[in-house]
Amino acid sequence: EAQVTQNPRYLITVTGKKLTVTCSQNMNHEYMSWYRQDPGLGLRQIYYSMNVEVTDKGDVPEGYKVSRKEKRNFPLILESPSPNQTSLYFCASRSQTGDNEQFFGPGTRLTVL
Amino acid sequence: TQLLEQSPQFLSIQEGENLTVYCNSSSVFSSLQWYRQEPGEGPVLLVTVVTGGEVKKLKRLTFQFGDARKDSSLHITAAQTGDTGLYLCAGEKRALYSGGGADGLTFGKGTHLIIQP
Repeated sequence: EAQVTQNPRYLITVTGKKLTVTCSQNMNHEYMSWYRQDPGLGLRQIYYSMNVEVTDKGDVPEGYKVSRKEKRNFPLILESPSPNQTSLYFCASRSQTGDNEQFFGPGTRLTVL
Repeated sequence: TQLLEQSPQFLSIQEGENLTVYCNSSSVFSSLQWYRQEPGEGPVLLVTVVTGGEVKKLKRLTFQFGDARKDSSLHITAAQTGDTGLYLCAGEKRALYSGGGADGLTFGKGTHLIIQP
């Protein structure tokens, strides 16, 4: 089954404790991205990657890092989480050809205390 | 900066009524996508419109892309309770230098739609 998976789905952590949210897709998509979704602000792009070893900042990259060492994986790293990073995070992937349909993961709800 | 403005932000109507949701921008997009998101899940693509003036139909849903590719609308005929959800529009600006690669989607804040039985 074609899908985007994220782990963990839920995470409660404390300020300053480094964490990684993993994202994996099995569709051989070149393009992957991370979004955060907040009430009243909608979906905002954090980082995106157009292919392996190619990443770029989205609209709200501060406080986040990403890496794209393999095509299927695109982890999101919070080196020193802060409470304002409490949010719902979505990973997404899509092909660069065809109709560019973007597939979203199920979301990771992060709470930083 | 919010490039895509969706309206209304919230809409609650009775089953069987018609409705229209709007997505407006001052920017030109190479394509525009509509998504539907249910609680606890990620957004799911409904349609992509690419050509100015394009109209696409998906059963009772009609999507239109503005002639200038700056705005779009979603019209639902005879709404059903199963249409309840968050509807998001997203504009894509295709990077000119890469021969076609996209530089990301910009999402509107969404329209929360509730269809009452």
